Amino acid sequence: KAGVTQTPRYLIKTRGQQVTLSCSPISGHRSVSWYQQTPGQGLQFLFEYFSETQRNKGNFPGRFSGRQFSNSRSEMNVSTLELGDSALYLCASSLELAGVSEQFFGPGTRLTVL
Amino acid sequence: GDSVTQMEGPVTLSEEAFLTINCTYTATGYPSLFWYVQYPGEGLQLLLKATKADDKGSNKGFEATYRKETTSFHLEKGSVQVSDSAVYFCALSDYTGANSKLTFGKGITLSVRP
Repeated sequence: KAGVTQTPRYLIKTRGQQVTLSCSPISGHRSVSWYQQTPGQGLQFLFEYFSETQRNKGNFPGRFSGRQFSNSRSEMNVSTLELGDSALYLCASSLELAGVSEQFFGPGTRLTVL
Repeated sequence: GDSVTQMEGPVTLSEEAFLTINCTYTATGYPSLFWYVQYPGEGLQLLLKATKADDKGSNKGFEATYRKETTSFHLEKGSVQVSDSAVYFCALSDYTGANSKLTFGKGITLSVRP
């Protein structure tokens, strides 16, 4: 079974631009979560989508948004990029069984904002 | 809110040494606990998990026991290898049926020298 895939793997943008990252979950997984990883803040939860609905949201500004499609694929968008948005963005999918949420992570998209 | 505290790093060990990485948590409910590992340039891989008190998770020689009385989930390995060099994250999921957010510790870098 294929794992979680993320595209692109690397991105370079300039301040003020916007960016869209894509995540394809493991087949059959309906929950997709996004995390931002930086050296200073560590791993921080952005949001989670389940069956095309945002189910939970972390403490990030409105410039960060996401969506999920009917095939469970998800995208996240960051508008008006700032230097501090440079990070590794990780996507994770999960198959929720009996209340246990085990998440499987993709390789991440490395975003550099210049 | 939920939080995870890991011991300060980095940690450097010689091959075949004993490893302990401390992790304590704060949660309002009855969380599931996880250890994830991140190799250079990659996403996170689930190393082991425990879903209730006194459960022991184990994988690839690593073990951790869910201790509710001390709110801890320390990671141990009896004999580390050079290939164990990576960043290790302790995490919890206080799954309520409404979300599957993971809360991570700051991570600790383990370097194993031959």
